[in-house]
Amino acid sequence: QSALTQPASVSGSPGQSITISCTGTSSDVGGYNYVSWYQQYPGKAPKLMIYEVSNRPSGVSSRFSGSKSGNTASLTISGLQAEDEADYYCSSYTMSSTLVVFGGGTRLTVL
Amino acid sequence: EVQLVESGGGLVKPGGSLRLSCAASGFIFSDAWMTWVRQAPGKGLEWVGRIKRKSGGGTTDYAAPVKGRFTISRDDSENTVYLQMNSLKTEDTALYYCTTGYCIGTRCHYDDAFDIWGQGTMVTVSS
Repeated sequence: QSALTQPASVSGSPGQSITISCTGTSSDVGGYNYVSWYQQYPGKAPKLMIYEVSNRPSGVSSRFSGSKSGNTASLTISGLQAEDEADYYCSSYTMSSTLVVFGGGTRLTVL
Repeated sequence: EVQLVESGGGLVKPGGSLRLSCAASGFIFSDAWMTWVRQAPGKGLEWVGRIKRKSGGGTTDYAAPVKGRFTISRDDSENTVYLQMNSLKTEDTALYYCTTGYCIGTRCHYDDAFDIWGQGTMVTVSS
């Protein structure tokens, strides 16, 4: 069981917006503004999409945005495109000896 | 080109040992904190451990499931980070990635945002 809870799957049609949630506790998501999101295609390494809750690394499309409320962080993808179909993982810094915890991942299907 | 290349994976029996290597290029390795993340087949990502730069003490931290069994070390002269895995269990079967933090200007997110990843090396623990 992963430390952070994500829905197993979400789907949307091209052009639509979707949101993926990531729920933790006050010891991780709720306690720090160090939530990141990663995109992973099958057989490929993860790619950083969002850091510090809502910041995009250079080169990441502005269609990707992040937010946080309490112990739940969210990734929103607007203007869905076929290339967005992938697995998405959230992560958070945590005060435990395991410094970083990940979510279980969400499979995004573009219909 | 910024690059991380892992090697050393393979098939090992339960209770056995294996040492993974990760060769870095394209950035100042001696400044970087290096992290290992693993992914079991068909499963999610799991943080394994991290080593700080030597000038910062070279401190290591480990996830609870591997603490006492795994050791991370580094050789800055070879731009390489290692993961020594002892007392391996079947649940350690995974693709092991090395990674490092996202840097913007002089600020690097070594413990919360991983930007550079290798291709991974597969470790299978089975009798």
